[in-house]
Amino acid sequence: QKEVEQNSGPLSVPEGAIASLNCTYSDRGSQSFFWYRQYSGKSPELIMSIYSNGDKEDGRFTAQLNKASQYVSLLIRDSQPSDSATYLCASYNFNKFYFGSGTKLNVKP
Amino acid sequence: GAVVSQHPSRVICKSGTSVKIECRSLDFQATTMFWYRQFPKQSLMLMATSNEGSKATYEQGVEKDKFLINHASLTLSTLTVTSAHPEDSSFYICSARDFGRQGIGEQFFGPGTRLTVL
Repeated sequence: QKEVEQNSGPLSVPEGAIASLNCTYSDRGSQSFFWYRQYSGKSPELIMSIYSNGDKEDGRFTAQLNKASQYVSLLIRDSQPSDSATYLCASYNFNKFYFGSGTKLNVKP
Repeated sequence: GAVVSQHPSRVICKSGTSVKIECRSLDFQATTMFWYRQFPKQSLMLMATSNEGSKATYEQGVEKDKFLINHASLTLSTLTVTSAHPEDSSFYICSARDFGRQGIGEQFFGPGTRLTVL
């Protein structure tokens, strides 16, 4: 079992809609969680970090963490075609980061 | 935000040569840096964790003598691919942890180096 699991997608949403990306993790000791966006041929870019249960909002992005369910999500409001990318979920524990394989998001104009 | 640079961005070399890639944290000090490689349409693969002033910790299956890592200062780590072969062609990405912004040590990535070995 992988440490961090993500649906590979692709997830297709129309422009202006809310995109919901999900991630589960296996280690209950994981301390913090991160969402990265990676465009094709580029390196990952940090979007959000979260370490407390609940929601954390930053602009059009909201990260949600539920430690009881070992579940992390990223909501993108008012999705734009420029949001089309692969989104990587990562957890951190004992000086090590664990990355999911990523969910490909397509935002259709 | 935290900025990590990587140089060179692209390198083409002949089989058997060595290639050095530099990774720098520009606006913060990084005691820990990471080196990843990524093949097309595949996920990130951690190669090694580099700690300033000590030996790097390599992941299982990564050859220490082939991928030499040096973390000589709080802002610079280097990866040297020794005696490169075509199968080493890949996208190499470094990252660094910044404890300054939120205190939890977020990881920021460099732009990557695309290595092609002929």
